[in-house]
Amino acid sequence: SSELTQDPAVSVALGQTVRITCQGDSLRIYYASWYQQKPGQAPVLVIYGKNNRPSGIPDRFSGSSSGNTASLTITGAQAEDEAVYYCNSRASNGNQVVFGGGTRLTVL
Amino acid sequence: QVQLQESGPGLVKPSQTLSLTCTVSGGSISSGDYYWSWIRQPPGRGLEWIGYIYYSGNTYYNPSLKSRFTISVDTSKNQFSLRLTSVTAADTAVYYCARRTLGQRDAFDIWGQGTMVTVSS
Repeated sequence: SSELTQDPAVSVALGQTVRITCQGDSLRIYYASWYQQKPGQAPVLVIYGKNNRPSGIPDRFSGSSSGNTASLTITGAQAEDEAVYYCNSRASNGNQVVFGGGTRLTVL
Repeated sequence: QVQLQESGPGLVKPSQTLSLTCTVSGGSISSGDYYWSWIRQPPGRGLEWIGYIYYSGNTYYNPSLKSRFTISVDTSKNQFSLRLTSVTAADTAVYYCARRTLGQRDAFDIWGQGTMVTVSS
């Protein structure tokens, strides 16, 4: 299967920790990358590889993977983290890529 | 730093052909370290990968989409393009171009701002 499954919505209290998950068979082979998208803006890469952050991404964002599940964790969520988060990885054949459906994060 | 900028018509009539161009600035499209990609997002919906192209011209497409898409590259202009034939209302979306860095990063690390395309008569 070349699909990635995400929960549609997650909420977290301000300052608390939240985990956003992504499931798919290809994640047994390939790492996921994670993207943050705020309304009216292009997506921004926040995590790639085993657990790497591009320059400028706060260290409260981290990634992990186990079996067919990849996770994005935000430790100490801030109001500005409210956004839709998408996971992405290569498909099982390696030549194509696939996005998850996105998880809308609400910071309460 | 590398920047991407989409350009093309904002409005296309049904059954016509849509052509979009992405101009790469601040770096060379001919680097072997990247795939140059098109991704779209219908209003209120998620991201959909369309395909990508290597500077040599090798292309890969989303197998879930019908073969109406063609991606091409013009290294002399540092541009790559998307062509979509026989458009319908279902093709209304924001179209993004993005750079996928290969190797350990293997992610879309630079995105254009996106261009809204509406299919309507």
